[in-house]
Amino acid sequence: AQSVAQPEDQVNVAEGNPLTVKCTYSVSGNPYLFWYVQYPNRGLQFLLKYITGDNLVKGSYGFEAEFNKSQTSFHLKKPSALVSDSALYFCAVRDDYKLSFGAGTTVTVRA
Amino acid sequence: NAGVTQTPKFQVLKTGQSMTLQCAQDMNHNSMYWYRQDPGMGLRLIYYSASEGTTDKGEVPNGYNVSRLNKREFSLRLESAAPSQTSVYFCASSELAGGPLETQYFGPGTRLLVL
Repeated sequence: AQSVAQPEDQVNVAEGNPLTVKCTYSVSGNPYLFWYVQYPNRGLQFLLKYITGDNLVKGSYGFEAEFNKSQTSFHLKKPSALVSDSALYFCAVRDDYKLSFGAGTTVTVRA
Repeated sequence: NAGVTQTPKFQVLKTGQSMTLQCAQDMNHNSMYWYRQDPGMGLRLIYYSASEGTTDKGEVPNGYNVSRLNKREFSLRLESAAPSQTSVYFCASSELAGGPLETQYFGPGTRLLVL
């Protein structure tokens, strides 16, 4: 089965600083990877997905993710974090007909 | 275009009671899903429907049943609720299950508390 892991439960950064949310994957075959964000009391919103061949993926709200095959990682990044980026972030991998999600990382951006 | 909608938003049940969670999508998607979200565990798939007329079990189907009423609607039923089913339930839809790059779109969720 395919799986992802998010090694950090929480990430705290100051507004204006770079933000990185880590994700590692374990798959057999080609990985199909996704990032979602969940704001308080809301559903999940799609941010971006990995397309084979493009190691740097650009998504919504200024986020991007870097695919690294040798490190089996798909870290989410934003060059300059905003207070409004405070949310719960999920990495996911396609596993047959479903998405397998990581446990989530809570991001807090302080003003 | 409302996307994926869910009702109710919040529900309290007593152990043993039954209820149905409703989900509808207006994106003409073929596939629909039910997930549950528990703290520290991400989202886990309960059931999915790859297309109208089909349903299949996910990771955690025990205690649940589903109905794909038509292309738009996919309901989740708890026949005899248990405290372990206290969770937040999300419905999602996508154009076609199994496509590796297809994106799932989520509803706002239903918070269920079983006492």
